[in-house]
Amino acid sequence: KNQVEQSPQSLIILEGKNCTLQCNYTVSPFSNLRWYKQDTGRGPVSLTIMTFSENTKSNGRYTATLDADTKQSSLHITASQLSDSASYICVVSRGWANNLFFGTGTRLTVIP
Amino acid sequence: DADVTQTPRNRITKTGKRIMLECSQTKGHDRMYWYRQDPGLGLRLIYYSFDVKDINKGEISDGYSVSRQAQAKFSLSLESAIPNQTALYFCATSEQGRGADNEQFFGPGTRLTVL
Repeated sequence: KNQVEQSPQSLIILEGKNCTLQCNYTVSPFSNLRWYKQDTGRGPVSLTIMTFSENTKSNGRYTATLDADTKQSSLHITASQLSDSASYICVVSRGWANNLFFGTGTRLTVIP
Repeated sequence: DADVTQTPRNRITKTGKRIMLECSQTKGHDRMYWYRQDPGLGLRLIYYSFDVKDINKGEISDGYSVSRQAQAKFSLSLESAIPNQTALYFCATSEQGRGADNEQFFGPGTRLTVL
């Protein structure tokens, strides 16, 4: 069964601290993996995309890693800011635009 | 996501009513999608369209219908709304070609409540 599981479900951290969000998937065949950020009341916005051959991808303070062998990905946020408070969604593709598998997201809250 | 707009942003309706959610985009993309998001579940695809003459069912199309009136417009209808259709609905667009490598751009969402 094609699934995407994220952990933790929710996370609270102090401003300025780092954190890592996890994504495990069983989707096959694998085409690519994206991390999206979804602010409250807004639609998801893509942060990074990685294909099978890519191990890491950065976007500012966001760094995503991918281990295609173990089917795991992580999103590391460095020096968190209050504006990082959002849900982070892992999305795995089987190679077609209509065949995306969405995780349930990790709700991150950054407090002063 | 200002390039993808959804109306209304919030709607409360009663069981049995017909509801239409509208999506417009100025990105010039050929491909458009409708998803629903429920607490504790990932986004699920309802319908998608790869061009004006193309309509395809997604994972959870029962109880819904769509219309692609133009390249820029894709509407979702609930013919007879029921309470378990209460959810957050998102419209998305993507470019043609390159399959799922193309980023999907999401609208701001419509929160629908069916009483």
